[in-house]
Amino acid sequence: GAVVSQHPSRVICKSGTSVKIECRSLDFQATTMFWYRQFPKKSLMLMATSNEGSKATYEQGVEKDKFLINHASLTLSTLTVTSAHPEDSSFYICSARDARGGNYGYTFGSGTRLTVV
Amino acid sequence: DAKTTQPPSMDCAEGRAANLPCNHSTISGNEYVYWYRQIHSQGPQYIIHGLKNNETNEMASLIITEDRKSSTLILPHATLRDTAVYYCIVRVPNNTDKLIFGTGTRLQVFP
Repeated sequence: GAVVSQHPSRVICKSGTSVKIECRSLDFQATTMFWYRQFPKKSLMLMATSNEGSKATYEQGVEKDKFLINHASLTLSTLTVTSAHPEDSSFYICSARDARGGNYGYTFGSGTRLTVV
Repeated sequence: DAKTTQPPSMDCAEGRAANLPCNHSTISGNEYVYWYRQIHSQGPQYIIHGLKNNETNEMASLIITEDRKSSTLILPHATLRDTAVYYCIVRVPNNTDKLIFGTGTRLQVFP
């Protein structure tokens, strides 16, 4: 079945530094990828939609200069948390939609737990 | 905003069927109902999806009412490993392909 690899699975960084998270579709092409964040005991909150070769579309309230998204190929999207602060600590999850569309599902990565100290 | 309503939590005895309800009374005619589950600290896992007809796969069955305003996910023989948060999702109507998660149902399977 479809597999999405997300890396790293866990990262600790210092305040003020930037962190890059990668999301790769391993056995299918994904024109669209999605980035979510999740706080403890809460549901997933959609941050942005990433389209291959174009600018990402951010949900209301999500700072695009804070969370940089790049989708340079049909199999890779990256999320960079810039100038990270402790309040950015969260579980970040990506999802990829098969380029064939239709009823092909959305496959999720295993998530990245970011801790900013 | 999520278009679905689910009970916050449910319990189920191991080996018994788990029936998870979902209300989606404002669903549009061409919108699919998706079910995912999330085991603690992992990414969501696809379970099943459907439009009008009931669906079954190796994991579960999906029963959609005739008016499509609600559905039920059935895990026929729940195991302890089925303990997770189950999300019922209706795809956003303007075909942006987004999946908006609601609060889900926390299913606890007990021995």
